[in-house]
Amino acid sequence: NAGVTQTPKFRVLKTGQSMTLLCAQDMNHEYMYWYRQDPGMGLRLIHYSVGEGTTAKGEVPDGYNVSRLKKQNFLLGLESAAPSQTSVYFCASSLFTDTQYFGPGTRLTVL
Amino acid sequence: AQKITQTQPGMFVQEKEAVTLDCTYDTSDQSYGLFWYKQPSSGEMIFLIYQGSYDEQNATEGRYSLNFQKARKSANLVISASQLGDSAMYFCAMREAGLKNYGGSQGNLIFGKGTKLSVKP
Repeated sequence: NAGVTQTPKFRVLKTGQSMTLLCAQDMNHEYMYWYRQDPGMGLRLIHYSVGEGTTAKGEVPDGYNVSRLKKQNFLLGLESAAPSQTSVYFCASSLFTDTQYFGPGTRLTVL
Repeated sequence: AQKITQTQPGMFVQEKEAVTLDCTYDTSDQSYGLFWYKQPSSGEMIFLIYQGSYDEQNATEGRYSLNFQKARKSANLVISASQLGDSAMYFCAMREAGLKNYGGSQGNLIFGKGTKLSVKP
């Protein structure tokens, strides 16, 4: 039982490049989330999903897109990376509206 | 408006002593949940403890307890018998039951900015 995993763990992008972050969970959770964490800040919600095939915007959705084609996977995409998107990205999942369990994080740097 | 406030950017505690990390929250909902997460220097977010707004007793999990004072809207984390491994960032978070979070659904967490706890040997 791996819990929540994230791929990749680290990534460096140039401004304007695109990339996709993959989150996978093996707990059969319905809800999945993407957060970003910046220095001196708590986590801020980017997008979330309440089930396979559904997505919704969180607090800071601009510049990101998501997809949940399979229940166990939640993808976060950056179409045209900007330096302001340099951050640590966390994925989380929960059965429903209960405790969220987090992945190990992805450290992204945009030059 | 900030809904979770952690007023202590940093705290020091002597090993084996107890420490209280403060958290106050703001909500108009009657039904909500409060969470504490630990983030060690390795970066992962570890769930510690949960308190529901209707729970009559304070939550406890091993050395962690949550001092829930509903009227004061506070949900302080108490760590007893501190250990060196407790040195980490600690985040308080709230989940509201209403449907107004970003126009979305229930379940979304709102985090405070965290408290950095350092345990001294």
